Amino acid sequence: GAGVSQSPRYKVAKRGQDVALRCDPISGHVSLFWYQQALGQGPEFLTYFQNEAQLDKSGLPSDRFFAERPEGSVSTLKIQRTQQEDSAVYLCASSALFSWGTDTQYFGPGTRLTVL
Amino acid sequence: AQSVTQLGSHVSVSEGALVLLRCNYSSSVPPYLFWYVQYPNQGLQLLLKYTTGATLVKGINGFEAEFKKSETSFHLTKPSAHMSDAAEYFCAVSDSPWDQFYFGTGTSLTVIP
Repeated sequence: GAGVSQSPRYKVAKRGQDVALRCDPISGHVSLFWYQQALGQGPEFLTYFQNEAQLDKSGLPSDRFFAERPEGSVSTLKIQRTQQEDSAVYLCASSALFSWGTDTQYFGPGTRLTVL
Repeated sequence: AQSVTQLGSHVSVSEGALVLLRCNYSSSVPPYLFWYVQYPNQGLQLLLKYTTGATLVKGINGFEAEFKKSETSFHLTKPSAHMSDAAEYFCAVSDSPWDQFYFGTGTSLTVIP
């Protein structure tokens, strides 16, 4: 596609439910990032994939958070047993590794998760 | 470790006035610096970036920023504000364009008619 897409755009979950957030990166982009943006804050890094390999998951706040990218394209961020503090916008970004012509990350519109 | 400080969480300017949004960074390696804009309920859109080369960087919508190593700053400016510039602005730093970004807490720009 022309840009990074994310679905759903909005998700309301009851506390304790599991949720799955999807990211479709720009076609051909090797790198994929997930960020969490709390209300009134800047995005914070969660995890990074290079193709299907998860190279950095140091930003995942707890073991309830899990991300995968099994075929090196689409990625899913899963949150188990959601808590109210998980309410945030989850942003996905992709980039073409070591390509100076496109040396930045391209962000999707985000998924706004509200946990009641 | 990298970090970004954006002074002023809220900035108001009159339409046609100079826009100045401040960004200071901390980095243990030569930084790569970015400014993104976020409109309500939308994702982040790249305004401009400094990777290598010229320290004065021009971006979209008339914005520019200057990398000043001695001041560890990357302030965003626009000579004349437009109503459509009202949005949230984020400064980010990275080890490279392909590593994780470290974002500031953002500056909300209001343009007064």
